[in-house]
Amino acid sequence: SQTIHQWPATLVQPVGSPLSLECTVEGTSNPNLYWYRQAAGRGLQLLFYSVGIGQISSEVPQNLSASRPQDRQFILSSKKLLLSDSGFYLCAWSVPSRHYNEQFFGPGTRLTVL
Amino acid sequence: DAKTTQPTSMDCAEGRAANLPCNHSTISGNEYVYWYRQIHSQGPQYIIHGLKNNETNEMASLIITEDRKSSTLILPHATLRDTAVYYCIVRPIQGAQKLVFGQGTRLTINP
Repeated sequence: SQTIHQWPATLVQPVGSPLSLECTVEGTSNPNLYWYRQAAGRGLQLLFYSVGIGQISSEVPQNLSASRPQDRQFILSSKKLLLSDSGFYLCAWSVPSRHYNEQFFGPGTRLTVL
Repeated sequence: DAKTTQPTSMDCAEGRAANLPCNHSTISGNEYVYWYRQIHSQGPQYIIHGLKNNETNEMASLIITEDRKSSTLILPHATLRDTAVYYCIVRPIQGAQKLVFGQGTRLTINP
């Protein structure tokens, strides 16, 4: 069966510090991968998605970046965090060959920037 | 992608059917309707999807109107664990497999 992992589960970082969040998927090959952010009391915002190694599409301009160094690994990074980067970060995957898009979400990382 | 409109919040008594409406009046012929839900502090969970016909699975039923401009998600026997934010999303069959989440409906199941 397929599983998706995210770490860390929670993170408190000072403004201006770097960030690295990791997401890995097990039990599937060549998944589509996604990063979402949910600010407090708000809906989910798609940040990045990837259809293959090294292929990243950005949905919103920001100080975050994403990378996919391996087939089932997706990393979200920042060189300098802003207060507005606080939120709940969710990674998701889907099977690219399906004509419909059932996305499976990880447990999330709750980031607080102080 | 077509835009969806949902009520901000709804209440339902435990054991009763919960009917969650969604308007998608600008939906086009090649767009699916998806429903996800998000329980507090967890990632969203897929519930069901449909194109034209009504659909049913172990979690819920999806009723799509004949003109496809609106749909209703039905939880037949709501439990306290169904308390969550429910998202109605419209996405094309082809193209990038990304979902655009709106604000959703906050459903509260009352004992």
